[in-house]
Amino acid sequence: DSGVTQTPKHLITATGQRVTLRCSPRSGDLSVYWYQQSLDQGLQFLIQYYNGEERAKGNILERFSAQQFPDLHSELNLSSLELGDSALYFCASSPLAGGLYEQFFGPGTRLTVL
Amino acid sequence: GNSVTQMEGPVTLSEEAFLTINCTYTATGYPSLFWYVQYPGEGLQLLLKATKADDKGSNKGFEATYRKETTSFHLEKGSVQVSDSAVYFCALIPFNYGQNFVFGPGTRLSVLP
Repeated sequence: DSGVTQTPKHLITATGQRVTLRCSPRSGDLSVYWYQQSLDQGLQFLIQYYNGEERAKGNILERFSAQQFPDLHSELNLSSLELGDSALYFCASSPLAGGLYEQFFGPGTRLTVL
Repeated sequence: GNSVTQMEGPVTLSEEAFLTINCTYTATGYPSLFWYVQYPGEGLQLLLKATKADDKGSNKGFEATYRKETTSFHLEKGSVQVSDSAVYFCALIPFNYGQNFVFGPGTRLSVLP
């Protein structure tokens, strides 16, 4: 158990809909990262937050957005969903912002878009 | 740009066999290199890392050496167990501070009893 929790575990929805994925980092970790894992694209970094502020952006679509709240939990919002958004979405956390710190991954949320 | 290439899987071995999973990278400067493992139904876990050339990372019987001259970070284990069955990801963090992980495509390992 990494100490990172993600809800829900599974999500099934229809094209065009909007969903919110939630992540609670390990106690004391200030940095949260979101990743998308799909069969065709592999594991891709989406976005990073540090202590409430956006720190780095990867291959995140404009239809996707994220935020980190004062209690440090984070939410990833996916809108106007397409079939190709079906994937595993992982959240990870680390103590600080620098990339050299180990990132601890949650168990993931499996999103299925029908 | 930065990228990581891994040998295509799946790799199927018998218990106690020797394991090598090849990983090569392209990066500007001197990245830090990592191996992560993903067990079925779980998130990724850090297996080992190396932050400079000739460093050897090791954990749970797995080893990998940072080879700058061949831009490689091959994962090895002398005797695999059934419990090692998982997907293994090679990854790098580029030299520049604040940049994030670039992952390879992953290699699925199945170990048969």
